[in-house]
Amino acid sequence: EAGVAQSPRYKIIEKRQSVAFWCNPISGHATLYWYQQILGQGPKLLIQFQNNGVVDDSQLPKDRFSAERLKGVDSTLKIQPAKLEDSAVYLCASSLAGLAGWEQFFGPGTRLTVL
Amino acid sequence: AQKITQTQPGMFVQEKEAVTLDCTYDTSDQSYGLFWYKQPSSGEMIFLIYQGSYDEQNATEGRYSLNFQKARKSANLVISASQLGDSAMYFCAMREGPGNTPLVFGKGTRLSVIA
Repeated sequence: EAGVAQSPRYKIIEKRQSVAFWCNPISGHATLYWYQQILGQGPKLLIQFQNNGVVDDSQLPKDRFSAERLKGVDSTLKIQPAKLEDSAVYLCASSLAGLAGWEQFFGPGTRLTVL
Repeated sequence: AQKITQTQPGMFVQEKEAVTLDCTYDTSDQSYGLFWYKQPSSGEMIFLIYQGSYDEQNATEGRYSLNFQKARKSANLVISASQLGDSAMYFCAMREGPGNTPLVFGKGTRLSVIA
């Protein structure tokens, strides 16, 4: 069974530019999460989707970050415009829905460097 | 207040020795889950072990065991017979409520195994 796929693996941009990350969850997983992991810290949730609906985006900086999961499968996270403090690893994870979704499966992450 | 506290930024252990990584948590939920993940330098999050709040027995997975002390709100990871490949960041995480709720992570502990 294929795992969670993310692309690109690495991205370097200058501040004020825009960037987009893509995530394809494990087939059949209704729940998708985006986490931000700043160097030296643990991951922090940005947004959680259930199918194509947003469950929790309370920690998403909505003035510059946006995310969508239009068909309830793959998802895109966008930053526009990027700031230096957005340099981090962006991790996508997926799980089954409901009680069966106790375990999250993580993708390899996208490492973003903002210069 | 932090929900997950890992007080050891870094630990050293001799190869073949056992090591304990500390984790304390804070929640008012009766139903919750505790996780440990390993993150090598390549960046992927590798699931190690899980303990549910209602589980009476401490979880074990191969060389990993979770020392769950509910009254003290601690969930320490014990790695037995350390190997050089165990050198990595280790994160404790908690899910509050049943099912597919987001994970809250600690700041991590960097474990270095010495030959």
